[in-house]
Amino acid sequence: GQSLEQPSEVTAVEGAIVQINCTYQTSGFYGLSWYQQHDGGAPTFLSYNALDGLEETGRFSSFLSRSDSYGYLLLQELQMKDSASYFCAVLNSGYSTLTFGKGTMLLVSP
Amino acid sequence: ETGVTQTPRHLVMGMTNKKSLKCEQHLGHNAMYWYKQSAKKPLELMFVYNFKEQTENNSVPSRFSPECPNSSHLFLHLHTLQPEDSALYLCASSHDLWTNSYEQYFGPGTRLTVT
Repeated sequence: GQSLEQPSEVTAVEGAIVQINCTYQTSGFYGLSWYQQHDGGAPTFLSYNALDGLEETGRFSSFLSRSDSYGYLLLQELQMKDSASYFCAVLNSGYSTLTFGKGTMLLVSP
Repeated sequence: ETGVTQTPRHLVMGMTNKKSLKCEQHLGHNAMYWYKQSAKKPLELMFVYNFKEQTENNSVPSRFSPECPNSSHLFLHLHTLQPEDSALYLCASSHDLWTNSYEQYFGPGTRLTVT
C-alpha cells in the first residue's frame, strides 16, 4: 500500500520562507506531485519531481530524494494569498494514479 | 467555458434518494477521475476512466455508480447513501493515464450532505 506523511499545519509571516515536508512509503513510485487548495476551492497542480533534486517555479520550489523517500515544497517570499492547504501526492507505478497525503494547512500572517 | 466544471455545487439528499453528479472537462483530456474529500482525510480516489474505459474502482460501495459516456463527461450516480458519505466530491482530468497523469485538473467539487 501507499502512505504519505506531512505536517498538519504550518504557520509563517509574510515575506518569510517555509518548507513543507513529505515522506512516503510506497510499493511503486514514479514521482511526487504537489497541489495547492484554497479553502472552498479546487486543488491546483504546483509541481512534479520524478528525479532527485530541486525543481524551481517562481517563488515555489520542490525537492525530491528517492533514496530517502522524502520530498519538500519550498515557498519563498510568502504572501497572504499563499494561505492554503498543500498536498503531496505520489504517482504510483502501474496504474499511474495519484495517492494523496492528508495535506498541510499553511497560515500566513501579516 | 474552460477547465473542469461540476454540477451541482451543493446537494442535500435523503438516504433513500437517487441523484447524479455531473462533471465536464473542456481540456481535450482522455482520463477522468472521481475523488472523495472528507475533513482531516486525504483525497480518496474512487474511480478512474481512461479513454472512456474504467480502469480502477477503489473498493467503492455499489451505492456509488460511475458513468463515462465520452471522454469529456463523467457522472457519479448516487443511491441509498449513508450519512458518512457526506463529503466534497471532486472530479479531475488529465491528458491520459500514460502522459502527464501527475498533473490533474480539478473541478470545484460538489458538496454533498446526506441527511
